Amino acid sequence: AQTVTQSQPEMSVQEAETVTLSCTYDTSESDYYLFWYKQPPSRQMILVIRQEAYKQQNATENRFSVNFQKAAKSFSLKISDSQLGDAAMYFCAYITGTASKLTFGTGTRLQVTL
Amino acid sequence: GAVVSQHPSRVICKSGTSVKIECRSLDFQATTMFWYRQFPKQSLMLMATSNEGSKATYEQGVEKDKFLINHASLTLSTLTVTSAHPEDSSFYICSARDLQGRYNSPLHFGNGTRLTVT
Repeated sequence: AQTVTQSQPEMSVQEAETVTLSCTYDTSESDYYLFWYKQPPSRQMILVIRQEAYKQQNATENRFSVNFQKAAKSFSLKISDSQLGDAAMYFCAYITGTASKLTFGTGTRLQVTL
Repeated sequence: GAVVSQHPSRVICKSGTSVKIECRSLDFQATTMFWYRQFPKQSLMLMATSNEGSKATYEQGVEKDKFLINHASLTLSTLTVTSAHPEDSSFYICSARDLQGRYNSPLHFGNGTRLTVT
């Protein structure tokens, strides 16, 4: 079975600090893409960042970056200079060419404190 | 950017009645839409994949006769919860993939529908 595991149900970070959210996945496919989605209290799903599995270079989007370790099937999200607006549920997800549907992890609730 | 409109945002219905939830892609066409269910403080669970002009593909354990999906056009998919019961109360979210996008294209999500069955 294809799965996504987020081992941290909750995380907390102080404003302006850096936090890393963990994610591991399991797939036998070689062609897949990885995503991090953010779900604020409004419940709207927002794409944060995505990574192509065939690329070794880690994706970066402003304050958000990933550490993609393909051999270890690990895909962590680093948030730098955390802001109050970053407080949300964060879901790791992946999609494969054969399944063509997103599989989500269990989520990590991020709190940002002053 | 691509917008997916989901309606209604909230609905309360009595047990035994049916409820229809609409998911529209406003500025793009979508041959494929996905319906998810999310319980409080939990992840999104894929219920079914809606394909324009053909039958939906349901995930294991999802009752086809309970959750009717219709994808009659390239911009509209509907989910009908038939004979709703309190255990169907949940948050339902749809998402859509642009017709011109590959399988790895980011999905565009609706704002969700909170269904409460009394």
